[in-house]
Amino acid sequence: EADIYQTPRYLVIGTGKKITLECSQTMGHDKMYWYQQDPGMELHLIHYSYGVNSTEKGDLSSESTVSRIRTEHFPLTLESARPSHTSQYLCASSESGTGTYEQYFGPGTRLTVT
Amino acid sequence: KNQVEQSPQSLIILEGKNCTLQCNYTVSPFSNLRWYKQDTGRGPVSLTIMTFSENTKSNGRYTATLDADTKQSSLHITASQLSDSASYICVVSDRGSTLGRLYFGRGTQLTVWP
Repeated sequence: EADIYQTPRYLVIGTGKKITLECSQTMGHDKMYWYQQDPGMELHLIHYSYGVNSTEKGDLSSESTVSRIRTEHFPLTLESARPSHTSQYLCASSESGTGTYEQYFGPGTRLTVT
Repeated sequence: KNQVEQSPQSLIILEGKNCTLQCNYTVSPFSNLRWYKQDTGRGPVSLTIMTFSENTKSNGRYTATLDADTKQSSLHITASQLSDSASYICVVSDRGSTLGRLYFGRGTQLTVWP
């Protein structure tokens, strides 16, 4: 079991609310990622970070934002939730370098916006 | 366009039987291919990683093969157990960026019946 944690695991929230999904890892990994996954569909990268104070947008356009103030912490924020944001959000981390490094995934946050 | 296609989309087998899942990809330049197991409501967990020079890798009852010439991979599960019921995701990494971008298939949903 990887040492990467996500909270909350499930969240049901009304339209217009601001939410923050938490992700923490204790492996000291520099690289961290956020993916979005709808049922039966592939994972899509929405944000990633190479390290502290580094954040980039991924392949899938997302209205969410991220921050990386500490190595172990990579929270994702939605300023105003909408029903279209309903999805599963997965956080992952990996080592840096030129080798083939494993990506370790957290358990995910299932978000429902009503 | 870099893509990963998996077949079948879903599969039902009886406990104790073997099965083989398929993955075709067009990702280039190729770096490595990974198979993940994702239980319902959980994050993916790595089963195997294979680089260009490897054509087979085993992890217990899971054996992955890779044909880099035809850009095909398979995951063979031996003596299936009820706990094997999950989505199996093929993931291909390119080496065209420092991020080592991952391209995800939609997964094969395996159900093992007693």
